[in-house]
Amino acid sequence: NAGVTQTPKFQVLKTGQSMTLQCAQDMNHNSMYWYRQDPGMGLRLIYYSASEGTTDKGEVPNGYNVSRLNKREFSLRLESAAPSQTSVYFCASTSGNNQPQHFGDGTRLSIL
Amino acid sequence: GQQLNQSPQSMFIQEGEDVSMNCTSSSIFNTWLWYKQDPGEGPVLLIALYKAGELTSNGRLTAQFGTTRKDSFLNISASIPSDVGIYFCAGRPYSGGSNYKLTFGKGTLLTVNP
Repeated sequence: NAGVTQTPKFQVLKTGQSMTLQCAQDMNHNSMYWYRQDPGMGLRLIYYSASEGTTDKGEVPNGYNVSRLNKREFSLRLESAAPSQTSVYFCASTSGNNQPQHFGDGTRLSIL
Repeated sequence: GQQLNQSPQSMFIQEGEDVSMNCTSSSIFNTWLWYKQDPGEGPVLLIALYKAGELTSNGRLTAQFGTTRKDSFLNISASIPSDVGIYFCAGRPYSGGSNYKLTFGKGTLLTVNP
């Protein structure tokens, strides 16, 4: 009963390095999302995929790219990491546009 | 973009006390959700509300979808130490069509003293 699985759970990068955060859901959900969570800022949407084959920008997309690999998987890529991207990243999924989102346990990313 | 005002930002209460928190918006929402986040984990859905005026309970938790469709509140009765965490409201703004995005409040940090 995994739900939404994110890997890795922790990562430390140097400025300028690249990295891909992985997310997979086993609930047959259509829509998937990437958020970042910073102290005092709540959850901010980076990118989302309403359905397989589509992706759209959220509130804070700069510096990120995404790939909806298939219905199960939605990855987030940092091409050239910056210290401002130090954050906790959450992936979420939902079955439809009026249904609650279900979250993974997050990836804690530090960029030095 | 949309803004949700969640209050209070933090609360310190004694075990056994009741708790109330709320979210307000300047525009109409057609879905309100309440999540709880424990340290080191992702948000977990507590209650989902879909109709204005709807009142829904989940154990000691009760949430209501405001009749104006611009607010929601969450009550926790007889708090216990494991209620500690961050509570988030989230809403889906009314758009007249498909809307896949949620707007989140900034959270209420709840501390319960045994």
